[in-house]
Parts: sequence; structure tokens; C-alpha cells
Amino acid sequence: AAGVIQSPRHLIKEKRETATLKCYPIPRHDTVYWYQQGPGQDPQFLISFYEKMQSDKGSIPDRFSAQQFSDYHSELNMSSLELGDSALYFCASSETVTGPGETQYFGPGTRLLVL
Amino acid sequence: AQTVTQSQPEMSVQEAETVTLSCTYDTSESDYYLFWYKQPPSRQMILVIRQEAYKQQNATENRFSVNFQKAAKSFSLKISDSQLGDAAMYFCASSRYNFNKFYFGSGTKLNVKP
Repeated sequence: AAGVIQSPRHLIKEKRETATLKCYPIPRHDTVYWYQQGPGQDPQFLISFYEKMQSDKGSIPDRFSAQQFSDYHSELNMSSLELGDSALYFCASSETVTGPGETQYFGPGTRLLVL
Repeated sequence: AQTVTQSQPEMSVQEAETVTLSCTYDTSESDYYLFWYKQPPSRQMILVIRQEAYKQQNATENRFSVNFQKAAKSFSLKISDSQLGDAAMYFCASSRYNFNKFYFGSGTKLNVKP
């Protein structure tokens, strides 16, 4: 079965540089979520999109922005990178169904290292 | 907001034995969902099991089952016949009905001894 695709898998940047992370959800999934997992920490919700509109926002820094495109893929743009942004960034997708909530399926993550 | 607490940072189990991982949560919602995810060393997040709060019957997936105590806000994961491949970090998570961002616990690292 198709899974969530994230690219790149690994990324090394210098402080104050910018980075763009991409996420391709499972086909027919209309909702995308972004999470940040620091070393030894649990994943923290950043932002989500449903049908190309922002549906929820968590602890996402103002330096970060994201969007969902017409083909449902999403990009997380990170500017003025700081050392503390080094983390594993997960994208998850789900399919909205009528009734109870949906399960989120996670991608393999993008490991960002800021030097 | 919802909070999820996993009080066991690390646990060990002998291969083929049974182990139970604990999770408690706090929510004011009447409709919500609970999940267990497994994160092996590859750090891929893999769904283990899911429970809808409105269902009284405990969810089961092969060797994995939950003990869902709604009144106590407890959601423990039981792994039967533990296998070496079960060694991983296990995260408990909750989400609200129709507002599906996940709230994660701090995780429990499970070691499986041969």
C-alpha cells in the first residue's frame, strides 16, 4: 500500500539559512499534519491543512510557514534557522470520513540538522 | 487541551512474555480517540492500535490489546508473546473528534530480552 512520502529524508543547514520540507500524502487523503520531534522528545504538533486550507495551528514558530497545494502535497518552509530547529519533522496524512475521527498515517520523517 | 501521561519511561520484557504499558489522559471532551504508536530505531511512527472513546469494547490487533477504562481515563497497551521486533519506543496519543491533531505522551521505551 502507498505510504506518506517525505523529502528530503536528511537535510543539513547552517544557522540563518532556509529549508523547505515536502510531504506527499497517501492518495485520497485530504488532510496533512506536521509534527516536530526533538531529540528524546515526543512529537509536537505544528500545523495542519484540510482541503488546502489551514485547519489547525500548534506551536509553530513565526519563522515557519506551510501550505497545501492543489494536488494535496504540503510544504513546510523554515527560515532563519536556529540550532534549536534541529529535529525530526514528521508529516502525517488522513482521509476525512463521515463520522468518527480519522487515523493519521505518518511518513518516515525528515531529519534536519542545523549547524 | 488534552494531556497524555506515560509514567513508565522504560520497561523490559522477556521474549514470549506479556507486558503492559500504561497511559493516562485528561480531556473534557466526550468524543475522542486514543492511539498507540510504535517508533522503532528507524524512528518511523507506526500505528499499533486505535480506540474510539464511545466504544466500550476494548480494541484488539493480533498480539496487541488495550484496556480502556473511560471513567479512570486510562488506556493501557498489552503486548502478548513479546517478540524481539517489538522493541521500540511506544507513544500513547489522543485526539479530539473532528479536531484531529494528536497529543502525545512522553513515550515508553520497551526492551525485549531474548
